[in-house]
Amino acid sequence: DADVTQTPRNRITKTGKRIMLECSQTKGHDRMYWYRQDPGLGLRLIYYSFDVKDINKGEISDGYSVSRQAQAKFSLSLESAIPNQTALYFCATSDGGNQNTEAFFGQGTRLTVV
Amino acid sequence: GEDVEQSLFLSVREGDSSVINCTYTDSSSTYLYWYKQEPGAGLQLLTYIFSNMDMKQDQRLTVLLNKKDKHLSLRIADTQTGDSAIYFCAEGYDYKLSFGAGTTVTVRA
Repeated sequence: DADVTQTPRNRITKTGKRIMLECSQTKGHDRMYWYRQDPGLGLRLIYYSFDVKDINKGEISDGYSVSRQAQAKFSLSLESAIPNQTALYFCATSDGGNQNTEAFFGQGTRLTVV
Repeated sequence: GEDVEQSLFLSVREGDSSVINCTYTDSSSTYLYWYKQEPGAGLQLLTYIFSNMDMKQDQRLTVLLNKKDKHLSLRIADTQTGDSAIYFCAEGYDYKLSFGAGTTVTVRA
């Protein structure tokens, strides 16, 4: 089983719909992140969390919200999806106990907004 | 991200060496990383180097860091077809990783 699991793996949704992407981890890490990947832009940080109920905005948080109700879970919501949110979304975790910020990634969720 | 830059494409013949280059801007970065993304998969850490090192070798991989020029490179010796992927350079400081746009490496026979 993967250490960082994202559901769903693929999703097509309509403009204006609310959608939630789920992430769960078995690594016991405190820190969790949501990134989006767009061709030619690399990964950009949407939100991150250092602990349960701790929420911090990343580089591109507008149009997104997150929830961290348990250490192992970090969900990303699009309240009203728009086509330019079509992207590949990655959840990641890291151990906050040292300066090595190695991140462990999920398999990604491919979201298409039509 | 705009703080980390890398070329977008590299084509290399099987058996040759690949060199992927990266420049970064944040001199406070503690660690610098190379991640590999295979088609349909997430990113996996390939190797990393601590900012006070010049070089790190790990089997076929050699990482060179020029801290003065803020330049990082990844050399893959004896490149194989399984090395075809997107390679991301990333810099890390405290909690945050900043990624480059990724270099797509294509290995041709």
